[in-house]
Amino acid sequence: QVQLQESGPGLVKPSQTLSLTCTVSGDSINSGGYYWTWIRQHPGKGLEWIGYIYYSGSADYSPSLKSRVSISVDTSKNQFSLKLNSVTAADTAVYYCARDSPTTYGMDVWGQGTTVTVSS
Amino acid sequence: DIQMTQSPSSLSASVGDRVTITCRASQSINDFVNWYQQKPGQAPRPLIYASSSLHSGVPSRFSGSGAGTDFTLTISSLQPEDFATYYCQQSYSTPTTFGQGTRLEIK
Repeated sequence: QVQLQESGPGLVKPSQTLSLTCTVSGDSINSGGYYWTWIRQHPGKGLEWIGYIYYSGSADYSPSLKSRVSISVDTSKNQFSLKLNSVTAADTAVYYCARDSPTTYGMDVWGQGTTVTVSS
Repeated sequence: DIQMTQSPSSLSASVGDRVTITCRASQSINDFVNWYQQKPGQAPRPLIYASSSLHSGVPSRFSGSGAGTDFTLTISSLQPEDFATYYCQQSYSTPTTFGQGTRLEIK
């Protein structure tokens, strides 16, 4: 059974960097075939795609966040990570990681989500 | 970016009702539409991929259809556990985009 688990600070100060890690179990990021994805959900709002990374390290990002976001992968730890720079209160959200196969199954496995609050 | 417009934004229905949620894409996306169910405080749950295929474990009362720009999610007979928010998503091109959600409430 594939499971994803987000981890990282729940509180980040404005202008600092939000850093989250997603640990994958039950599947190997190295096996290929999936895009490892970050999505966020602002309080009471819908789902927003942040970006994804492939096992090779190739990544793609939301145009609205591209200047501030970076996603990396550590295949030795079976983890992928999100960094979002220069955060503001508008980045307060629940952050989810997910496994995605866009041309077949969609986002078929999700982490439980982690709440990140940006506040001084 | 491809816009996904869901309707209605909210819906009241009773147990046993048949309900349909629609999603319209701003351009043709073949059948690259997925549907998710989300309950308060939980992560989205995958329901349907490629417009009409059910994920494993999803009850058969859920069905999806459509191609091109117009898609529907139908629940044939609402059960108490189906009251939730539903999202469509296009995976035709990046950035992938979601509909704004349809909140299904108990009448």
